[in-house]
Amino acid sequence: NAGVTQTPKFRVLKTGQSMTLLCAQDMNHEYMYWYRQDPGMGLRLIHYSVGEGTTAKGEVPDGYNVSRLKKQNFLLGLESAAPSQTSVYFCASSPPGRTPVTEAFFGQGTRLTVV
Amino acid sequence: LAKTTQPISMDSYEGQEVNITCSHNNIATNDYITWYQQFPSQGPRFIIQGYKTKVTNEVASLFIPADRKSSTLSLPRVSLSDTAVYYCLVGGNTGGFKTIFGAGTRLFVKA
Repeated sequence: NAGVTQTPKFRVLKTGQSMTLLCAQDMNHEYMYWYRQDPGMGLRLIHYSVGEGTTAKGEVPDGYNVSRLKKQNFLLGLESAAPSQTSVYFCASSPPGRTPVTEAFFGQGTRLTVV
Repeated sequence: LAKTTQPISMDSYEGQEVNITCSHNNIATNDYITWYQQFPSQGPRFIIQGYKTKVTNEVASLFIPADRKSSTLSLPRVSLSDTAVYYCLVGGNTGGFKTIFGAGTRLFVKA
């Protein structure tokens, strides 16, 4: 029973490099989300998706792109990494009709450091 | 989404009951109250949700007064493993696609 799986778990990038974070869920959830969490702070929403083929911006979308080509996968891309993007990234999903405000399932996180 | 206010941190000892209160004065009629728990280096985990009165599950209880302007998460007989950050969220099934996690309450359980 995997739930929400994030790949990779750790990554170090040099400024200007690009990378893609993968989120996969096996619960057939419609909604998926990407958050970032900086030290001592709560989570901030980057992008989200309400279904396959759809994406929308959250609170802090600049510098990130996302794609939801398959229902079970939600990809977060950094085209040109900056030190300000050093953070822990969490993916989440929720059942139809429910959001993180009511119930969501989170992955274990990806710790990204940009040097 | 209704704004929430909760203590930044709390300390407790093993075996004690811990109550964390969240204020949400502008809660809307359709809003639910939901609590998440986050351990270090892990994603948040849903622990309990309620609309009014009292809800209890195997992990915690949630007390909501009649005016619903606050709620209290109750953790019975905490152990060291309950040391975590606890987030109070208020909202409904719509409009949830915004920043909804504040700094939470850091609970430290001591031996």
